[in-house]
Amino acid sequence: AQSVTQLDSQVPVFEEAPVELRCNYSSSVSVYLFWYVQYPNQGLQLLLKYLSGSTLVESINGFEAEFNKSQTSFHLRKPSVHISDTAEYFCAVSESDTGRRALTFGSGTRLQVQP
Amino acid sequence: DAGITQSPRHKVTETGTPVTLRCHQTENHRYMYWYRQDPGHGLRLIHYSYGVKDTDKGEVSDGYSVSRSKTEDFLLTLESATSSQTSVYFCAISESSAGGNTIYFGEGSWLTVV
Repeated sequence: AQSVTQLDSQVPVFEEAPVELRCNYSSSVSVYLFWYVQYPNQGLQLLLKYLSGSTLVESINGFEAEFNKSQTSFHLRKPSVHISDTAEYFCAVSESDTGRRALTFGSGTRLQVQP
Repeated sequence: DAGITQSPRHKVTETGTPVTLRCHQTENHRYMYWYRQDPGHGLRLIHYSYGVKDTDKGEVSDGYSVSRSKTEDFLLTLESATSSQTSVYFCAISESSAGGNTIYFGEGSWLTVV
């Protein structure tokens, strides 16, 4: 069985400051890793994903995450946040070798960007 | 946009009544999922389907049933709604690519059981 731990339930940060949202996972097999973002009263949007290849993945709006297999982590980072980044962020994992393909989610981190 | 439509988007129902949520997809994806979202729990898998009439349970399946009679539709039924089933329900599909599989979500259905 797989599990995901998001170590911070809330992260307050000032605008233009850097931010890191932490995610650790547990799995006995190879995994795919994802970050989703949810704005208030909306659905989940895929932010970025690691399926294979380069361990550093980037999104179109300046976020990046690095897959660290030895530390079983997939932390999300942005060098300079904007007010519009205020949202809830979910880390998720799926096992690459199984047919189910379902995601297991962390409990989410609420990013609060303050002016 | 993965072509996923959920209906209804918002519903208030009474305890003990049956409720059916519908998920419709337009891109012929084989895998479909129902998740529920609750504060402090992230999203949890209720049921999933890997083809027409092929379904299986997730981690929080008690009190829910599903059906998939057509590729494009995946129905979630609460046979007798309870207040603990007040939640936001998300349908999802799995899209295959050269590197692997990616799951995309619908806009959600807000269900309140009073």
